Amino acid sequence: SQQGEEDPQALSIQEGENATMNCSYKTSINNLQWYRQNSGRGLVHLILIRSNEREKHSGRLRVTLDTSKKSSSLLITASRAADTASYFCGGSGGSNYKLTFGKGTLLTVNP
Amino acid sequence: EAGVTQFPSHSVIEKGQTVTLRCDPISGHDNLYWYRRVMGKEIKFLLHFVKESKQDESGMPNNRFLAERTGGTYSTLKVQPAELEDSGVYFCASSQGGTASRVYTFGSGTRLTVV
Repeated sequence: SQQGEEDPQALSIQEGENATMNCSYKTSINNLQWYRQNSGRGLVHLILIRSNEREKHSGRLRVTLDTSKKSSSLLITASRAADTASYFCGGSGGSNYKLTFGKGTLLTVNP
Repeated sequence: EAGVTQFPSHSVIEKGQTVTLRCDPISGHDNLYWYRRVMGKEIKFLLHFVKESKQDESGMPNNRFLAERTGGTYSTLKVQPAELEDSGVYFCASSQGGTASRVYTFGSGTRLTVV
């Protein structure tokens, strides 16, 4: 079953604006992670939020988690052209730490 | 620290041929995962190794796919015979054991095109 489902599928903004991406999941999780993928490259880990946490910050990134709604959001503040990438959320609910991803959000930041 | 290495980066083969993808995880990482992304769709889990053992292979599409991890080091994923629907980007990821298992390091992927 698909654990992470990102929304919107594509987002285009101007440099300096904030970008918000959402993620919904279906089953219980221990943690939820966000990854970024630049074209032609592998996924890069951005941030992990545990199921008992509600909000987490890392630099220009802010992640929230609402376990009652089974949803998470990723906010990128003061976006830069270099933030252009696909963003994926992945949920992990099992003891083997298997991550289940969605289709991703393609973010384009225009200079 | 060297990252996760995958090769080839691209492969174009004809339907019915065999292809073998290779993944070299970060040294010392017990966990190795294979994922696949078909264009426009989600990144789908294929299987998980802990050292040389298959922990979870529930995502393997069918018996045309065979994964191995010799001596708990590098891993190969063989597709034989390849079909058109096998086209996509195959990602490998590794993570440490224990509580550090949560965060994956991904390779750049192998883009497989079956024609």
